[in-house]
Amino acid sequence: DAGVIQSPRHEVTEMGQEVTLRCKPISGHNSLFWYRQTMMRGLELLIYFNNNVPIDDSGMPEDRFSAKMPNASFSTLKIQPSEPRDSAVYFCASSQIQGARTDTQYFGPGTRLTVL
Amino acid sequence: GQNIDQPTEMTATEGAIVQINCTYQTSGFNGLFWYQQHAGEAPTFLSYNVLDGLEEKGRFSSFLSRSKGYSYLLLKELQMKDSASYLCAQTGGSYIPTFGRGTSLIVHP
Repeated sequence: DAGVIQSPRHEVTEMGQEVTLRCKPISGHNSLFWYRQTMMRGLELLIYFNNNVPIDDSGMPEDRFSAKMPNASFSTLKIQPSEPRDSAVYFCASSQIQGARTDTQYFGPGTRLTVL
Repeated sequence: GQNIDQPTEMTATEGAIVQINCTYQTSGFNGLFWYQQHAGEAPTFLSYNVLDGLEEKGRFSSFLSRSKGYSYLLLKELQMKDSASYLCAQTGGSYIPTFGRGTSLIVHP
């Protein structure tokens, strides 16, 4: 298996521009997570999907952030408009959650976003 | 990660043993993950404890005390490649991990 795939790996943009981050989860996994990691705040959960449905988006910072999962093999995280404080590494992770059992999360390589 | 507490940084010598502690909120607790993250890379799974006690996996062991809200990761026979950040994460009622800010371990010769 190729693991979780994220693109782009690095993104540099200017304040006010739209940014779209992409993720392909591991085939067969039914849950997908978007995280943001910074030195100040560590690894924060932004949103997670189960069977392509958003379950918890309480971690999404504000209306400038949106996420979609149109099918089981693809998800996007969009920031519009972007701001310098959005600069961080954004990780996508997937796992197989069955009922009440927690399974290991497998992380993608991350997208390092810099907003100038 | 506001309910999870772990040291920010630790240093140790190659070949030694190091213990990284993690305390968490016991209310609604389900299980405890440890992940390793090398600089510039993604977190990778090390262990998951649900029951009290020590689980050993090669040079790495993880301990859990549910009543005390305490876990530790024990690394033996340290190698230079063990220099990384170690993330403690707890799961609760939602079964979704909440991560601590991580402990940066520096192994020196």
